[in-house]
Amino acid sequence: GIQVEQSPPDLILQEGANSTLRCNFSDSVNNLQWFHQNPWGQLINLFYIPSGTKQNGRLSATTVATERYSLLYISSSQTTDSGVYFCAVVGDSNYQLIWGAGTKLIIKP
Amino acid sequence: DTAVSQTPKYLVTQMGNDKSIKCEQNLGHDTMYWYKQDSKKFLKIMFSYNNKELIINETVPNRFSPKSPDKAHLNLHINSLELGDSAVYFCASSPLLNTGELFFGEGSRLTVL
Repeated sequence: GIQVEQSPPDLILQEGANSTLRCNFSDSVNNLQWFHQNPWGQLINLFYIPSGTKQNGRLSATTVATERYSLLYISSSQTTDSGVYFCAVVGDSNYQLIWGAGTKLIIKP
Repeated sequence: DTAVSQTPKYLVTQMGNDKSIKCEQNLGHDTMYWYKQDSKKFLKIMFSYNNKELIINETVPNRFSPKSPDKAHLNLHINSLELGDSAVYFCASSPLLNTGELFFGEGSRLTVL
């Protein structure tokens, strides 16, 4: 089945810094989403982005489907950005949503 | 108005008891899901329910059963609770099966003593 790898597994930054989180996948996909799980446990849908680029405030995401990766950019990090960021994909060859292990981001004040 | 809501948010119970967690979505989605998140934060799909078709993750014990009175509701019933069932359970919905954006409820933290 399709494999999803996220990097880095952990990231610690100072407030105000920029960060790039990566999601690699092993096969072609028709669905890719980024989620943020905040320190209170809530899972929030950030982007639905099987291809192309989207921006929402300080966050943006780019998926290059032909090269099988997606990037999540966070600019001017705030402490509220802390949490775990998950990437999840649905492969073209099956209909299961496969999750990455997540990137744990800590933003220090 | 919460899109996907689940109750209760916290549940503490004894081993051997039976409990239910309720989930409702007001997004008009056709598909609902139950996920289990363990202490290591891994999200594991338990069930998908799409137009009365139930897709079960074969690793889920049959003590767990989903019940859907209508398209907007998918409840999770657990029989004979075990210590290993302690986790956070998330309900979610999407327009179609694994298609479109997935929206989660706030989670229900189950603790089995």
